[in-house]
Amino acid sequence: EAQVTQNPRYLITVTGKKLTVTCSQNMNHEYMSWYRQDPGLGLRQIYYSMNVEVTDKGDVPEGYKVSRKEKRNFPLILESPSPNQTSLYFCASSLRGWRGSDNYGYTFGSGTRLTVV
Amino acid sequence: QKEVEQNSGPLSVPEGAIASLNCTYSDRGSQSFFWYRQYSGKSPELIMSIYSNGDKEDGRFTAQLNKASQYVSLLIRDSQPSDSATYLCAASNTNAGKSTFGDGTTLTVKP
Repeated sequence: EAQVTQNPRYLITVTGKKLTVTCSQNMNHEYMSWYRQDPGLGLRQIYYSMNVEVTDKGDVPEGYKVSRKEKRNFPLILESPSPNQTSLYFCASSLRGWRGSDNYGYTFGSGTRLTVV
Repeated sequence: QKEVEQNSGPLSVPEGAIASLNCTYSDRGSQSFFWYRQYSGKSPELIMSIYSNGDKEDGRFTAQLNKASQYVSLLIRDSQPSDSATYLCAASNTNAGKSTFGDGTTLTVKP
């Protein structure tokens, strides 16, 4: 089944303890992205990647790191989590579209609910 | 001003009616536009993408784009209770890579 798989689904951690949320897609998509979703703030993009070893900041990158060493994987790293990073996180992937054509949107994973205490 | 703004909602329509969802964007460099549906407790799923000015139809859904007015809309014909969800509008200046989302409009379709 074509899908984006995130792990874990739920995570409670303490302030300052480094954590990694994994994301993997089996659709051979070029683009991958991380979003966080908070009540009243909507979906905000953290980082995105348009190819292996190519990553770029989204709108809220502070406090997060990513890497894209393989096409299928795009982990999200919180080096020193803080309570304001408590949120619902989504990983997403997309085929590369072409300028001048209708483009492919994102396929989202099931989400990771992170609580930092 | 947010880059992508949607009707604050919530929007309620009777079953069988047309639901109209609206979105405006501020970045004139935006090239691609997307509508996603998100059921409560679930992840967003793509419904429609549109690039060119005009209408694009897919089943009961029609997306409309007016780049001069920086306006995108989604019409849902013959609305069903299963259409009850939050609808998210997104804009991108390339393709899906950097996509900015609106806050969403919650639609309720009443039987």
